[in-house]
Formats: sequence, structure tokens, C-alpha cells
Amino acid sequence: EAGVAQSPRYKIIEKRQSVAFWCNPISGHATLYWYQQILGQGPKLLIQFQNNGVVDDSQLPKDRFSAERLKGVDSTLKIQPAKLEDSAVYLCASRLNSGANVLTFGAGSRLTVL
Amino acid sequence: AQRVTQPEKLLSVFKGAPVELKCNYSYSGSPELFWYVQYSRQRLQLLLRHISRESIKGFTADLNKGETSFHLKKPFAQEEDSAMYYCALLFGNEKLTFGTGTRLTIIP
Repeated sequence: EAGVAQSPRYKIIEKRQSVAFWCNPISGHATLYWYQQILGQGPKLLIQFQNNGVVDDSQLPKDRFSAERLKGVDSTLKIQPAKLEDSAVYLCASRLNSGANVLTFGAGSRLTVL
Repeated sequence: AQRVTQPEKLLSVFKGAPVELKCNYSYSGSPELFWYVQYSRQRLQLLLRHISRESIKGFTADLNKGETSFHLKKPFAQEEDSAMYYCALLFGNEKLTFGTGTRLTIIP
């Protein structure tokens, strides 16, 4: 099966600019996650979707971060305006709703904010 | 609050020696625990989960509810085991929370 696709792989922007990341999960995976991984730390959950609905966005900084999954398939994570502390790898993961609770991760999008 | 603690950021072990990566968790409910691994230049991927009670690449992990631990063990380390290892706890609405990770280096 095809894996979780993410783009772009790398992005460098200046603070106060905006950026968007895209994720296409494994076909049939209803649950989609966005994680932020800052250098030297473990992945931190930003938002979790079930189909096109938000299950949890309690750790999403909503003043600058937004995410959507309009058709319940691919998803976009946006940051506007970016801050220096947003420099991180943004990981997308997906999971089938039945069977093992195993997440499949994409390769990640590395953001550098200057 | 749910939390996963990995006390060692770095761990170096000689090839052929035993390996133990520590993981402790805090969760009032019934935990579901995982070990994920990230090899150099590869994606984060599942190594093993406590429910399946399996051995993957020679690694095992036993859930100890009394000590709230889920340590990862391997009797004889191999060079290809060098990687970043993350312990993770699944709770609530299938939310997966990760520890800070341990970088394991196997010395030839």
C-alpha cells in the first residue's frame, strides 16, 4: 500500500510569513493526526481528525495555526503568521478505525523560521 | 494528566551487550503502550505494542502496571539497532502521546 504522503519536505520562511503543509493519508484511513516535533523533543499532537471532523485540537495554537480536512481524505495545516519557535518537523499520521491502533507516519515537513 | 517519561536522552551500548531503554507512564485508565523507532533518514515507525506481546527484531517490552513501566529490552545489541526510540501511550479518543525519546548508539 502507498504510505502517508507529505509536502513540502522542507520549507524556510521568515517570521510573520505564512506556510501550508499538505498530507495525503493511506487510502481508507479515517483518522488523521498532525504532530509537531521540535528538535530534541518527542512528537506533540496538534490536531486529530476523524473523517472530516475534529476529534481533538486542544494543543493547537489557534491564534496562528489552522487545519482542515474538508473531504475527509487529505488535510492541510497552515501557520499564519509564523514565529521562530514554530521551527520544527510537522508529522502527519493516519490510522484505520478498526483493528490495531497503529499509526502510520509520513516523512514529515521540516520548517525553519528565520 | 497522561504522561510518558523516558529518562535517558542518550544511551550507548557495545555490540553484543544487553540493551534496556526505560519508559514510565502516568495514566489512570487502562493503558495501551507502544514503542516507535526512527532509523537515520527514515520515517517514524512502529516497533512493537504491548497488546501483541511479540518480539520484533529481538526486542521485547513487558507492561508492568505496578511500576507503570514499559521498558524495551534486547539481550544482544546489533549495530543496526542504532536509532531514536520513542515510547508512546494511547488513551482517550485514540490520542497517542509520546515520550521525549532515547537515542541509542551501538558501539562496534
